[in-house]
Amino acid sequence: DAMVIQNPRYQVTQFGKPVTLSCSQTLNHNVMYWYQQKSSQAPKLLFHYYDKDFNNEADTPDNFQSRRPNTSFCFLDIRSPGLGDAAMYLCATSRTSGTGETQYFGPGTRLLVL
Amino acid sequence: AQSVTQPDIHITVSEGASLELRCNYSYGATPYLFWYVQSPGQGLQLLLKYFSGDTLVQGIKGFEAEFKRSQSSFNLRKPSVHWSDAAEYFCAVAGFQKLVFGTGTRLLVSP
Repeated sequence: DAMVIQNPRYQVTQFGKPVTLSCSQTLNHNVMYWYQQKSSQAPKLLFHYYDKDFNNEADTPDNFQSRRPNTSFCFLDIRSPGLGDAAMYLCATSRTSGTGETQYFGPGTRLLVL
Repeated sequence: AQSVTQPDIHITVSEGASLELRCNYSYGATPYLFWYVQSPGQGLQLLLKYFSGDTLVQGIKGFEAEFKRSQSSFNLRKPSVHWSDAAEYFCAVAGFQKLVFGTGTRLLVSP
C-alpha cells in the first residue's frame, strides 16, 4: 500500500544534542510537510517542500531545518533541541500544493528531550 | 487569515448514541474543509472533505459532515458511536499551501 512512513516512532534526545527525524513516502507526491504537534494542541506547520523548493513558515524557529534529498525522503533536523521542542512531529504529503489538496499523514515521531 | 474553532475540548458519548462535533471556520472565500481523526499516539487520518457541491458529505467509518455557509460551520456527525471511535478529532480549513487546524475535540465513549 502507498503510504507515509516515519522513523523512528519514538526518539529520545538530550538537551542541545542534534537530532534528525525521517519521513519517506511511496505516494510519489510532490509536496512534503512537517508539522509540530504539542500535547493537546493542533498540528502547526513548520515548513514544506514543493519538489525541491523549500517553504519556511514565518514563525518557525531557526533551530529547525529540513532536507529533501529526493522525492521519497524528507528529514527534519533540530540543531539544538530544547525542552520546549518535545512534541509529536508529523510528516504529511500531497500531490500538489494547490488550495484544498488532501494531505496524507504519517504516524508521527514523538520526541522527548531530557 | 483562515482560522478554525472547535468549541468543545472534550465530549463524552455513550456507545450507540449519536454524535455531533462542532466546527466553525473563518475564511474569506469558498472554503475547503476537512475532518481528520487521530487515535492515541498515531498520525492523522482523513475522515472526509468538502470542496463544493452537495453540502452533506459522506466519509469513512460512517461519519458525515454538513457545510452551512450561513453559519460558517462544518459539523461532524455519526448516528451511532462505537467504542473504537474514541479519539481526537480535528477540523481543518485549507489555506494557501497549508492546512489550518482547530485545537481538536477529544471524544470519549462510555459503555
